[in-house]
This record gives sequence, structure tokens and C-alpha cells, in this order.
Amino acid sequence: EAGVVQSPRYKIIEKKQPVAFWCNPISGHNTLYWYRQNLGQGPELLIRYENEEAVDDSQLPKDRFSAERLKGVDSTLKIQPAELGDSAVYLCASSPTPAAYEQYFGPGTRLTVT
Amino acid sequence: GQSLEQPSEVTAVEGAIVQINCTYQTSGFYGLSWYQQHDGGAPTFLSYNALDGLEETGRFSSFLSRSDSYGYLLLQELQMKDSASYFCAVRMGNSGAGSYQLTFGKGTKLSVIP
Repeated sequence: EAGVVQSPRYKIIEKKQPVAFWCNPISGHNTLYWYRQNLGQGPELLIRYENEEAVDDSQLPKDRFSAERLKGVDSTLKIQPAELGDSAVYLCASSPTPAAYEQYFGPGTRLTVT
Repeated sequence: GQSLEQPSEVTAVEGAIVQINCTYQTSGFYGLSWYQQHDGGAPTFLSYNALDGLEETGRFSSFLSRSDSYGYLLLQELQMKDSASYFCAVRMGNSGAGSYQLTFGKGTKLSVIP
């Protein structure tokens, strides 16, 4: 069974530029999560989807961040414009149902904003 | 709000036993999870405790005391490959809605030395 796929793995951009991250969850997993992980910290939830509906986006900085999950499968997280403080690893995770206690994480996208 | 405390670093000798503690303060608590993350890798699920007591999975065990808001991860017969960061995460949410989320601690960096 293929795991959670994310691309790109690394991205370096200048501040004020836009950037997008893509995630393909495990097949059949209805719940998808985007996390941000700063160096030396644990993952912090940005947004959670159940199928195509964003059910928890309270931690998403909505002035510059946006996300979508069309057709309830793949998801894209966008930052526009990026700031220096956005440098982090962006992790995508999925689980079969909202009630499942195990989340399956992808390898993440390491973003560096210069 | 919620908070989790775990030691930032632990060093142990190959073949030994190490215990990583986690204390938490949160509302709407449903359980405590543990994840392992190697440098540059994805967090991977290790264990989940919803009830008080000890859960054993091979060389790894996890314990929870809900009354003390405390849990620990026990790693036995340490191997060099166990060198990684270990995160405790509280599972919170709304059982009526069947939706939950994880809040992660800052992680404990375990170094296994020969």
C-alpha cells in the first residue's frame, strides 16, 4: 500500500513569492490534515478535511494561507505571499475516518523562505 | 488552552531501557499517542492509550494515568536505530461529532550511544 505522497520535498523561495504544496493521501482515507512543523517543535495542525469539507481551519493564517481538497482526494496548500517566518516543514497526514486514532504522515515539504 | 511537557533530550546506552515522560493539561481529553520521527523523516505512529494502564508493542510500551495527566513511553533493548525524536500527542475532540484532533508536544530527542 502506497503511503502519503507529498511534493515537492524541498522548496526555496524569496519572501513575497507564492508557493504551493501538494498531497496525495492513502487511498480510501477520508480525513486529511495539514501540519506545520518548525525546527525543534512538534507538528501543529493548520487544517483538517473530512472528504472535501474543511472542518477545522482555526489555526490556518487565512490572510496568506489557503487550502483546497477538490473531489475529496488530493489536496493543495498555498501560501501567498510567503514571509520569512513561514520557513518550516509542511506535513500532510491522512486517516481512514475522523475517529481513527492513527494518522499516517507523508515525508513533508521543507520550505525555506529567503 | 492545552499544554504538553516532555524532556527535550535523553541519552541512553545501546541495550538499555529508557523512559520518556509526558505530562499534559488539556480539556476534552480522549487519549495519548506517541509518534517517532527520524531526522528528515515523517512522524510514524507508535502507540495509543485511551485507558489507564500499560500497552505493550514489542520493545515499546506506553503508559497512561488519566488522573495524573501523565504518560510515558518505555523503550527496551535500545538499538542504535531508535535514535530519533519522540512526540507525545493528546487526542482531543468531540465524540458526539465523531471528530478528533491531535496536539503534539515539542518532542524528546533520544540519542542511543554504543
